[in-house]
Amino acid sequence: DAKTTQPTSMDCAEGRAANLPCNHSTISGNEYVYWYRQIHSQGPQYIIHGLKNNETNEMASLIITEDRKSSTLILPHATLRDTAVYYCIVRGTGTASKLTFGTGTRLQVTL
Amino acid sequence: DTEVTQTPKHLVMGMTNKKSLKCEQHMGHRAMYWYKQKAKKPPELMFVYSYEKLSINESVPSRFSPECPNSSLLNLHLHALQPEDSALYLCASSRPGRGTYNEQFFGPGTRLTVL
Repeated sequence: DAKTTQPTSMDCAEGRAANLPCNHSTISGNEYVYWYRQIHSQGPQYIIHGLKNNETNEMASLIITEDRKSSTLILPHATLRDTAVYYCIVRGTGTASKLTFGTGTRLQVTL
Repeated sequence: DTEVTQTPKHLVMGMTNKKSLKCEQHMGHRAMYWYKQKAKKPPELMFVYSYEKLSINESVPSRFSPECPNSSLLNLHLHALQPEDSALYLCASSRPGRGTYNEQFFGPGTRLTVL
């Protein structure tokens, strides 16, 4: 599975959009981009995933660049409860559902 | 029911003890996982079970022994652990196979302390 690079930490004011970037320059054609988050002392939580098109669900939007070498997770209106570590993971469909977590981005949402 | 439950929440054990961690899900998922997470580090995969058969063992020491007695239950048997095995142990489940919708659902974890 391709490796990902994320900033170590980011801050966001409550009510504003949080844009979390991820670089995955070695991604191959059949690999998906997944995002999970982990709120302190809880298990990771699935957020969203995509292949090449932009995706949106009730939690977030995922924007993948045309060359697929990077992506951005957007939380449109961040709240204090969104404070967490966000993991960007690239995973192929043939890897027996194996998730390889990188170091993630610690997002701090402030008043 | 969209929940993965883990018991106990906390466990303290000595290096000579034998203990077990338990994980349960009733979502009909046929793939189950154990991860280990040290403080301030990302989760690391330990084992994967697919249709109750061990499919991935990430070179985990034999003092950790997984067991999947049925499609809803996953155990992790612990014996002769070391203090460095202290960590948060996370269980997850998903639909198995090559699909794109097999996101993993995680339990809250068992925080293990080895004295």
